Amino acid sequence: DAKTTQPPSMDCAEGRAANLPCNHSTISGNEYVYWYRQIHSQGPQYIIHGLKNNETNEMASLIITEDRKSSTLILPHATLRDTAVYYCIVSAFSGGSNYKLTFGKGTLLTVNP
Amino acid sequence: DGGITQSPKYLFRKEGQNVTLSCEQNLNHDAMYWYRQDPGQGLRLIYYSQIVNDFQKGDIAEGYSVSREKKESFPLTVTSAQKNPTAFYLCASRSGLRSGELFFGEGSRLTVL
Repeated sequence: DAKTTQPPSMDCAEGRAANLPCNHSTISGNEYVYWYRQIHSQGPQYIIHGLKNNETNEMASLIITEDRKSSTLILPHATLRDTAVYYCIVSAFSGGSNYKLTFGKGTLLTVNP
Repeated sequence: DGGITQSPKYLFRKEGQNVTLSCEQNLNHDAMYWYRQDPGQGLRLIYYSQIVNDFQKGDIAEGYSVSREKKESFPLTVTSAQKNPTAFYLCASRSGLRSGELFFGEGSRLTVL
């Protein structure tokens, strides 16, 4: 699986948009970009994923650059409950028996009042 | 409600004792995973299973064992051979070969005294 690079920490003011960057310069053509978040001492929660096109759901938007070497997760109106570690993961969806996701250290997003 | 249940949430054991962590899911998911998380670190894959009666080693399988006798259950045994067993253990499941989203339990925190 391709490696990802994320800043270790970021701050955001409550009510503002949080933009979390991720570099994945070695991503392959069949690899998806996944985002999860983990609130302290809980299990990670799936947020969104994409292949080439930008994606949006009720939680966030995912912007993937045209060359697919980087992406940005956008939380449009951050709240204090969005304070968490955010993981960016790239993984081929092979459909085979060896599918697994590898989690790095992620970005600690702190939303301040 | 459907979900993944891990038990116990907190567990204390003496050094040299084996301990088994339970993971049960009622989501009818085919694949299940065990991850380990140490303070300030990302998740590391211990074992995973795509179907009943089959499982594969992850990145840090030494000192651990699993079984998958039923689709709903994927228990993890931390054996006395595991050098540093104190950690936060997370179980996850995935709905099928065409789905990339992992659903996580709330975790089990093991402390070896």
